[in-house]
Amino acid sequence: TQLLEQSPQFLSIQEGENLTVYCNSSSVFSSLQWYRQEPGEGPVLLVTVVTGGEVKKLKRLTFQFGDARKDSSLHITAAQPGDTGLYLCAGVTGANSKLTFGKGITLSVRP
Amino acid sequence: EADIYQTPRYLVIGTGKKITLECSQTMGHDKMYWYQQDPGMELHLIHYSYGVNSTEKGDLSSESTVSRIRTEHFPLTLESARPSHTSQYLCASSESGLAGAEQFFGPGTRLTVL
Repeated sequence: TQLLEQSPQFLSIQEGENLTVYCNSSSVFSSLQWYRQEPGEGPVLLVTVVTGGEVKKLKRLTFQFGDARKDSSLHITAAQPGDTGLYLCAGVTGANSKLTFGKGITLSVRP
Repeated sequence: EADIYQTPRYLVIGTGKKITLECSQTMGHDKMYWYQQDPGMELHLIHYSYGVNSTEKGDLSSESTVSRIRTEHFPLTLESARPSHTSQYLCASSESGLAGAEQFFGPGTRLTVL
């Protein structure tokens, strides 16, 4: 079983602070996806990283895929209350597109 | 507008009842999925389909069954609901032919079995 460990599990910060959260595994993935899920809704894709060492930016969010394609990080600059939600990472292996999800990181940004 | 729909959004039923959770998508995707989500736990894949008349069990064993008679429709059925089936059920779809393609999720059905 391939496991994705996400940390920290919970994070509560003040608006304007920076934060970094992590997604780690002992397995290699062909790509890794980050989703955000808001209460009462399904997850929505934020980014897919494919190449080891790849860095992708989405406004104030910066995603990095580890060189060995086993881990990833998400850095948020100047967090805003709208960033509040559950952040899920999901690893992709093989050609069948099935995803292995982590348990998620619950982020709360206080105004 | 292309989208993925789930009904009902909330369902509270008694033990032993038969239920069907509906999932429809208007994006023409061949691949569809059912996940189970509990607080503090991973999304677990319970069923998937790669096209009409194709269904497979996922990584998490489930007593539910699915069917795929039409591309856009992927219902999940529990013949006899039990309290252990209480959970959030998420339906998703994705394009075929792309490994690691984005999965589009519905809003989920929160099922409570008393």
